[in-house]
Amino acid sequence: KNQVEQSPQSLIILEGKNCTLQCNYTVSPFSNLRWYKQDTGRGPVSLTIMTFSENTKSNGRYTATLDADTKQSSLHITASQLSDSASYICVVSAIASNTGKLIFGQGTTLQVKP
Amino acid sequence: NAGVMQNPRHLVRRRGQEARLRCSPMKGHSHVYWYRQLPEEGLKFMVYLQKENIIDESGMPKERFSAEFPKEGPSILRIQQVVRGDSAAYFCASSPVGGLADEGKTQYFGPGTRLLVL
Repeated sequence: KNQVEQSPQSLIILEGKNCTLQCNYTVSPFSNLRWYKQDTGRGPVSLTIMTFSENTKSNGRYTATLDADTKQSSLHITASQLSDSASYICVVSAIASNTGKLIFGQGTTLQVKP
Repeated sequence: NAGVMQNPRHLVRRRGQEARLRCSPMKGHSHVYWYRQLPEEGLKFMVYLQKENIIDESGMPKERFSAEFPKEGPSILRIQQVVRGDSAAYFCASSPVGGLADEGKTQYFGPGTRLLVL
């Protein structure tokens, strides 16, 4: 069964600190993995997209890593800001033509405190 | 370029009524996807449409739910005879090209419609 699991479920850190969020998946055959940021009451916004051949991708203070062998990904946030408080969702796409299926993790809720 | 627009943002219905949720994709996008997010759960795929065609509806409940994306106008997700379990946030996303298997085909999400069934 295709699944995406994220940890921790929630996280509280102080402003300026770094943190790392984890994602494990069992989706096969794998196409790509995305990290989305979802602010409360808003739709998800894409942060990074990585394919099988990519190990790391950065977007400002966000750096995602991917190990396709162990089927694990992480999202590292550097020098956190209050505006980073949101839910971070790991999303995996299986190889398939003409389908729209993305498999979403439940998300990690991050709270950055001053 | 306006983003994906959904309306209404909030919708309250009584059990047995019909709910109609609208989604206008980004300009130039002809592929629309609907997702449902139940409380305390992740988003779940419902249906993928192109103009006038349903491509994949494997995530749609078999009864009471339907979706369309006409040649003109927004995509509509219709829920007939709503029940309390339909209460959720419904998100629409659009992309300029179809399918998701290739790199870079980002889906852009709307703000969602929060449906509450009393």
